[in-house]
Amino acid sequence: EPEVTQTPSHQVTQMGQEVILRCVPISNHLYFYWYRQILGQKVEFLVSFYNNEISEKSEIFDDQFSVERPDGSNFTLKIRSTKLEDSAMYFCASSGPGRGNIQYFGAGTRLSVL
Amino acid sequence: AQKVTQAQTEISVVEKEDVTLDCVYETRDTTYYLFWYKQPPSGELVFLIRRNSFDEQNEISGRYSWNFQKSTSSFNFTITASQVVDSAVYFCALSEAGYSSASKIIFGSGTRLSIRP
Repeated sequence: EPEVTQTPSHQVTQMGQEVILRCVPISNHLYFYWYRQILGQKVEFLVSFYNNEISEKSEIFDDQFSVERPDGSNFTLKIRSTKLEDSAMYFCASSGPGRGNIQYFGAGTRLSVL
Repeated sequence: AQKVTQAQTEISVVEKEDVTLDCVYETRDTTYYLFWYKQPPSGELVFLIRRNSFDEQNEISGRYSWNFQKSTSSFNFTITASQVVDSAVYFCALSEAGYSSASKIIFGSGTRLSIRP
């Protein structure tokens, strides 16, 4: 069964460093998303992406964040200068063509900012 | 604004008991989708079900069943004859059903379900 793949599974970084979280969505999907889950809390929407541009972003997704689809398969989330409060699990999701398709999530990348 | 409330933060039952997870939602949209996702201890989010707002038929899938009641804005999830493997955090969620499929999902705060042997 096709799945969303995220790498790395765990990323440790120093405060102020840049990190790039990588995702390979399901191959025929057209819509891509990033969500964040701070430990023990709810899953929060960060950004959605379609047709090589951002469709919607939350207030969490400030200038420190950016997304890119550098080729036909990868979808990345970059945090330019990490803060302690960026420590969280980051989930990538993708959904297919058509109206209101189901979002399938990757296993997540746990980001630890020290 | 859209909102999903899961009032039960933690539930613990003995194996083989039935358990119901409550979910209440708020939205101004006339068409929307409701979801349940499971997050096992390994951390991934596993899709369980999606419901259209215009389809109030209850659904059963094996030991799982869902009760959608638009009149009370509720979308409850029942596990029958619970098993230890059902132990997880369960999230109820909501999205608009617009023309674009790039609709964000709004999650509830989750219910941690523990099934004791």
